[in-house]
Amino acid sequence: KQEVTQIPAALSVPEGENLVLNCSFTDSAIYNLQWFRQDPGKGLTSLLLIQSSQREQTSGRLNASLDKSSGRSTLYIAASQPGDSATYLCAVDKTSYDKVIFGPGTSLSVIP
Amino acid sequence: DVKVTQSSRYLVKRTGEKVFLECVQDMDHENMFWYRQDPGLGLRLIYFSYDVKMKEKGDIPEGYSVSREKKERFSLILESASTNQTSMYLCASSSSGQETQYFGPGTRLLVL
Repeated sequence: KQEVTQIPAALSVPEGENLVLNCSFTDSAIYNLQWFRQDPGKGLTSLLLIQSSQREQTSGRLNASLDKSSGRSTLYIAASQPGDSATYLCAVDKTSYDKVIFGPGTSLSVIP
Repeated sequence: DVKVTQSSRYLVKRTGEKVFLECVQDMDHENMFWYRQDPGLGLRLIYFSYDVKMKEKGDIPEGYSVSREKKERFSLILESASTNQTSMYLCASSSSGQETQYFGPGTRLLVL
C-alpha cells in the first residue's frame, strides 16, 4: 500500500531564505506527483505536477524535483516571502484515474 | 478559471441527523471526489465518481454515501451523523487525462 510522508512537519524561516520541503513515497510505481498549497481553513491549490517520466517542474520561485527510484520529491522555494506561509502537501497518483494519496503536509511559516 | 463550490462553509448538526454536503463544479469535469481532512491524519478519500450515476468507494466509505445524478454535482450524504464525523470535508474535481485536481473551499462540519 502506498504511503506518503513529508519532512519536516513544520518549518519556520526568516523572509528571503531559500528552503526545501521533502516528500517520500514507498511505491515507486507512480503515474505522477503533485504539490499542493493549503491556506488555513481553505481548500487546496495545485502548485506543480510532475509526470513519472519527468525529473522536475518549475513555476516562478517554485521548483519541484522527482526521483522515482528513491521514492523522493523535493519542493524548493526561492527567496521566501511571508505570503508563502501555508501548508504544503504532496500527493502521488498510482494510476491514470486520479485517485491520489496525500502526504500529511508541511506547515511553513515565513517570518517578516 | 475552474470553480468548485461547496454548499456550506460551516455546518453544525446533531448526532443522528441526516446531513447532505453538496459540491458543484462548472468545468464539465468527469471525475469528482470527496475527502475528509483531520489533524494528524491528512486527507483521506471517502468516495469518488468517474461519471454520472457512477461511484467508487475510497479508503474510508463507512458511514457515508454519495449521489451523482448530474455531471456537475456530487453529493456526500451522512445517513446518521456521529461525533466522529466532525471534520473538514473537501470536494475536488478533475478532467480525465488532465490529472490536476481542483478543490473546493471545504465544509467544516461539527456534529454535536
